[in-house]
This record gives sequence, C-alpha cells and structure tokens, in this order.
Amino acid sequence: GNSVTQMEGPVTLSEEAFLTINCTYTATGYPSLFWYVQYPGEGLQLLLKATKADDKGSNKGFEATYRKETTSFHLEKGSVQVSDSAVYFCALSGNTNAGKSTFGDGTTLTVKP
Amino acid sequence: EPEVTQTPSHQVTQMGQEVILRCVPISNHLYFYWYRQILGQKVEFLVSFYNNEISEKSEIFDDQFSVERPDGSNFTLKIRSTKLEDSAMYFCASNGPYGSASGTGELFFGEGSRLTVL
Repeated sequence: GNSVTQMEGPVTLSEEAFLTINCTYTATGYPSLFWYVQYPGEGLQLLLKATKADDKGSNKGFEATYRKETTSFHLEKGSVQVSDSAVYFCALSGNTNAGKSTFGDGTTLTVKP
Repeated sequence: EPEVTQTPSHQVTQMGQEVILRCVPISNHLYFYWYRQILGQKVEFLVSFYNNEISEKSEIFDDQFSVERPDGSNFTLKIRSTKLEDSAMYFCASNGPYGSASGTGELFFGEGSRLTVL
C-alpha cells in the first residue's frame, strides 16, 4: 500500500534560517504529492502540491520538487519567519476518483525570533 | 472562497454515548471524507464517501462508526457508543472528481471537531 515517511521533528530554527523537511513516499503508479500545514488550533490547509514527476510546487516562499527517481518531495524555504511555526504534513493521493490521501506523521516547526 | 464547515467545534461526551459530527462540504464537490487526528499524532483516514455510499474505509472505521449524507448539503459521522480512545480531532474533507479543477487529489479540510470522551 501507499506510505509516506517524513523527517522526524520537532524542528527549531532561528528566524531567517534555511528550512528543509524531508519526505519520501512509497506508492504504486503516479501519485500526486502534497504538503499541508496546520497552524496552532486550526485545521489543515494545502501549502503546495505537485501532480507529476519533476513538477515544482511553490507557495509563500516554500518549494518542493516531485522527484520520482528518489521518490521524494522535500519541503524547503530559504528564510523562515516566526509565522511559519506550525505542523507540516507530507501527503500523497492516488490519481483516481475518491482516492484517499495518505499522510506522513507530521513535523512540528518552531521558529524563534 | 467556498469552504468546508464543521459543527460542533468541540463536544464533550460521556463514554457510551452517541455522538454525531456534522459537516457541510463545498457545494460542487462529489467526494467526502472523514479523517481523525489524536492529539499530537498523525492524520488518519477513516472513510471516503461517494454517490451516497462508502467508497473505502479503514480498520478504525468499525461497526461503531457510520456516515450519512441525509440531504444535499450535510455529511455526518456518527459514533454509536463512544470510547475513551475516540477522543480526537475529527476532520471532514471534500474534493471534486479527478481531472476537474478541484480534483487533483487535493483535500479541502474543515476546521475540525474536537471530541472529548470522559
């Protein structure tokens, strides 16, 4: 079955530091890949996505590239802010109707001023 | 912007009681889901629903759980006899058919309903 493995947290960085959160996946076929973010006390919201190999998703300064050869979708940001403190979830979805999404365990990021 | 809404935001119940969590998915979406997140842990799939029937369910979704779309807008999750271990945040999500603008597999989540079982 499908699975997602995320870098364990928590991660604590100083403001303006570089962020990488690793994500690798196992799936049959050609899944779509996602990063969701959960701010304290809120639900999950999509941060970025990539639907095919070599696609780069980007949003709010975050980027991730769909690497089929390494089955990876690592999240990066060049300069984090305190407001980026949240839990980040890597997820995949099979490209079929009503396909459920499989989530990684989540990585808690804390950015200190 | 259309959004998924959930009620209640927080419910406290006694063990053994029935609970119904309600969701209003985005109006033109066709696929509906329930996920749960036990405090600080991963997001777990419970069930998917399409065309008025369950498409897929996980091992967590046993006979104590049921889902229903009683009208054209609401999507409910019922837990018949709650257990302590049912305490979690329950998220409703929806999306459109694959290939549509809202159908790349992206899930549109509600804000969640926190269930506390005492």
